[in-house]
Amino acid sequence: AQKVTQAQTEISVVEKEDVTLDCVYETRDTTYYLFWYKQPPSGELVFLIRRNSFDEQNEISGRYSWNFQKSTSSFNFTITASQVVDSAVYFCALSEETSGSRLTFGEGTQLTVNP
Amino acid sequence: DADVTQTPRNRITKTGKRIMLECSQTKGHDRMYWYRQDPGLGLRLIYYSFDVKDINKGEISDGYSVSRQAQAKFSLSLESAIPNQTALYFCATSDASGRPLYEQFFGPGTRLTVL
Repeated sequence: AQKVTQAQTEISVVEKEDVTLDCVYETRDTTYYLFWYKQPPSGELVFLIRRNSFDEQNEISGRYSWNFQKSTSSFNFTITASQVVDSAVYFCALSEETSGSRLTFGEGTQLTVNP
Repeated sequence: DADVTQTPRNRITKTGKRIMLECSQTKGHDRMYWYRQDPGLGLRLIYYSFDVKDINKGEISDGYSVSRQAQAKFSLSLESAIPNQTALYFCATSDASGRPLYEQFFGPGTRLTVL
């Protein structure tokens, strides 16, 4: 069965600090997809990134970067030079090939960036 | 116009009432999902449908039922609402045959309060 764990319930930083959100997953499939979503205070879910299990190359998008390590079953998300607008709940999610694209979400991490 | 819409966006109801949440999509996707979000628990899958004649229970289907009236419409019903069904409900869609695979597109959410 698939499982996603986000051990950090809440993180609070001061603007311009770097912050890393941890995500650890469990799966028995060899083909799977990992996702990060952002949920701002307005409540909608904003897609950030998708990674498949065969692509371990790290990705950078502006101030966002993702570190995918199959050896430790982790898919961590780093925000560089955080801004107040980054304050949100962030969810990591997993979809196994055999699950027919059903998503299993982690519990979410509430990030607060203070000015 | 949004690709995935949910109605109503907010609803307050009383214990024992029957309530229906509706989801419509214009993406032409065959797969649709209902999730609920509770603080600290992330999103959990209630029901999912891979086509009009294929409906499946998710991890927390008790107390809920669904109807897939057409490819574009997927409704979630609470036959007799109870307070612990107070949550934020999300509808999502995905395309089994297109690209990108395994990515789900979420509606804006319905905030339901059961008094």
